[in-house]
Amino acid sequence: AQSVTQLDSQVPVFEEAPVELRCNYSSSVSVYLFWYVQYPNQGLQLLLKYLSGSTLVKGINGFEAEFNKSQTSFHLRKPSVHISDTAEYFCAVITHYTGRRALTFGSGTRLQVQP
Amino acid sequence: DGGITQSPKYLFRKEGQNVTLSCEQNLNHDAMYWYRQDPGQGLRLIYYSQIVNDFQKGDIAEGYSVSREKKESFPLTVTSAQKNPTAFYLCASSAGSGKASGETQYFGPGTRLLVL
Repeated sequence: AQSVTQLDSQVPVFEEAPVELRCNYSSSVSVYLFWYVQYPNQGLQLLLKYLSGSTLVKGINGFEAEFNKSQTSFHLRKPSVHISDTAEYFCAVITHYTGRRALTFGSGTRLQVQP
Repeated sequence: DGGITQSPKYLFRKEGQNVTLSCEQNLNHDAMYWYRQDPGQGLRLIYYSQIVNDFQKGDIAEGYSVSREKKESFPLTVTSAQKNPTAFYLCASSAGSGKASGETQYFGPGTRLLVL
């Protein structure tokens, strides 16, 4: 069975500072990886995804993530955060096998950007 | 504009009552999903459907039921058997084309269910 661990439940950071949100997954087969962002009382918005190819993936709002197969990680980074980045961020995985195609989510990381 | 709509935004349930949450998509996606979100627990899968007239139980299906009579619609009924229904419910869809690009799920705005 696959699982996703987001190591930090909350990450406080000052505006214009860099940030990294950590995500590790466990799976014995190849995976597709996703990061979503959720603003209060809203649905999830796709930030970026890794399906294949380059391990460095760029997404919306200046975010990027790097897929590291040996460390089974998919950490999300942004070089300079804004107040508007304050939200909850979810890492999710789906495996390369037929059958159940639904996402498995981590428990989320709340990013709090302070002025 | 293509997208996923969920209604209502807020729903109140009385003791012993069944309630139905609506989810509609005009993305021409084959697959649709229902997730439940509780604080600090991320999202958990309730039911999913990969094609019309077929659906599968997810991790927490007890107390819920679904139907998939049309490609664009995937309503979720929260039955009286669900003893702790208060949560934020999110519907999603994906192309489900069998290709990697079809695995990306897109989410609706959610329905918050509260118990009176």
